[in-house]
Amino acid sequence: QVQVVESGGGVVQPGWSLRLSCAASGFTFSTYGMHWVRQAPGKGLEWVAAIWYDGSGKKYADSVKGRFNLSRDNSENTLSLQMNSLRVEDTAVYYCVREGTNNWFDFWGQGTLVTVSS
Amino acid sequence: EIVLTQSPATLSLSPGERATLSCRASQSVSSYLAWYQQKLGQAPRLLIYDASNRATGIPARFSGSGSGTDFTLTITSLEPEDFAVYYCQQRSNWPRTFGQGTKLEIK
Repeated sequence: QVQVVESGGGVVQPGWSLRLSCAASGFTFSTYGMHWVRQAPGKGLEWVAAIWYDGSGKKYADSVKGRFNLSRDNSENTLSLQMNSLRVEDTAVYYCVREGTNNWFDFWGQGTLVTVSS
Repeated sequence: EIVLTQSPATLSLSPGERATLSCRASQSVSSYLAWYQQKLGQAPRLLIYDASNRATGIPARFSGSGSGTDFTLTITSLEPEDFAVYYCQQRSNWPRTFGQGTKLEIK
């Protein structure tokens, strides 16, 4: 069955870096666009970044542009989010999300918590 | 950026009642709108896509309607498991955006 499993979350100080990973299985990873969506504690959903199925295109939310970099390894079925210059407001659960054949977010991981605090 | 405004913020109903949730876009998104359900401590789940299509495995009591800027999610007869937070989301433009959510709670 389709699975996406996030890892790499933790507690860091403002200005530090963190790398999130997402391991995909149960589907042909190389044919799907992938996204990260985050949710601050007690708040709503915020789209963060997207990458095309072949890695040829990427999009970022303005709030993370220039600080976050999204990449993928289709040979390893993994997605990575490199987060630099982290801010307190980046504190959230980060979800790895598949963009399905209908172009919507059809499978979500369980999320990994990133806490940025001094 | 397209802003999605959901109403009401909280909806208090009883099992068996009909729920009507609204999502309004700041500009037309055509039919490129989806609805997600999120239960406490869980990841969101896709319910409705392209405004009116039920996702795989979603019960028929869930339906979506609308186009352009005004959209509605209707749950015809609430089951206990339907009490959750519901989000709308658009994919008409970048960045993808979500509404702020409607919490459906038991009255």
